[in-house]
Amino acid sequence: GQNIDQPTEMTATEGAIVQINCTYQTSGFNGLFWYQQHAGEAPTFLSYNVLDGLEEKGRFSSFLSRSKGYSYLLLKELQMKDSASYLCAVKDSNYQLIWGAGTKLIIKP
Amino acid sequence: ETGVTQTPRHLVMGMTNKKSLKCEQHLGHNAMYWYKQSAKKPLELMFVYSLEERVENNSVPSRFSPECPNSSHLFLHLHTLQPEDSALYLCASSQASGIGANVLTFGAGSRLTVL
Repeated sequence: GQNIDQPTEMTATEGAIVQINCTYQTSGFNGLFWYQQHAGEAPTFLSYNVLDGLEEKGRFSSFLSRSKGYSYLLLKELQMKDSASYLCAVKDSNYQLIWGAGTKLIIKP
Repeated sequence: ETGVTQTPRHLVMGMTNKKSLKCEQHLGHNAMYWYKQSAKKPLELMFVYSLEERVENNSVPSRFSPECPNSSHLFLHLHTLQPEDSALYLCASSQASGIGANVLTFGAGSRLTVL
């Protein structure tokens, strides 16, 4: 079966750096996505990786290793507003999105 | 404002009721989706419409009935639901093909409680 694994919950301190990992086993690969979802709000697109390496976008970076079936989302200079759930998703060979259960990130002052 | 609007935001219904969820997008997208989001579970794709035709129905019980009258509107008709159907129902839209098909724009969801 197809599977996306990510930690259920993480806690970090304001101003620090946190890395949220995502591992996947899917039938084929056509890209990996990260979405952010604040409580009670819509998930919003953060990043898309289809080639190996690091994609940087401001305080957020996303890394992909296709050979390892692994990605991480790196958040720098954490702010209280970064408290949210972070969803990892992979497009398989049929271009279907397979989703992880999400990582709830708690930022403490 | 996400460009995808869902109503109602909250809905409580009995098992014998009939209700509908509505989704509207103002982004010029031509694919629309219904997802079910339950606590601590991955998003579950329910239905996909592309160019107003249903292209995906992931073994969803018949008590859920989608309708897509045009590329901007999507409905989910609900009847004789079960308590386990209580969840957040998310609508999303995207381009049907090309690079834009990679990015979904979600609505804020309709929180459904079945008593």
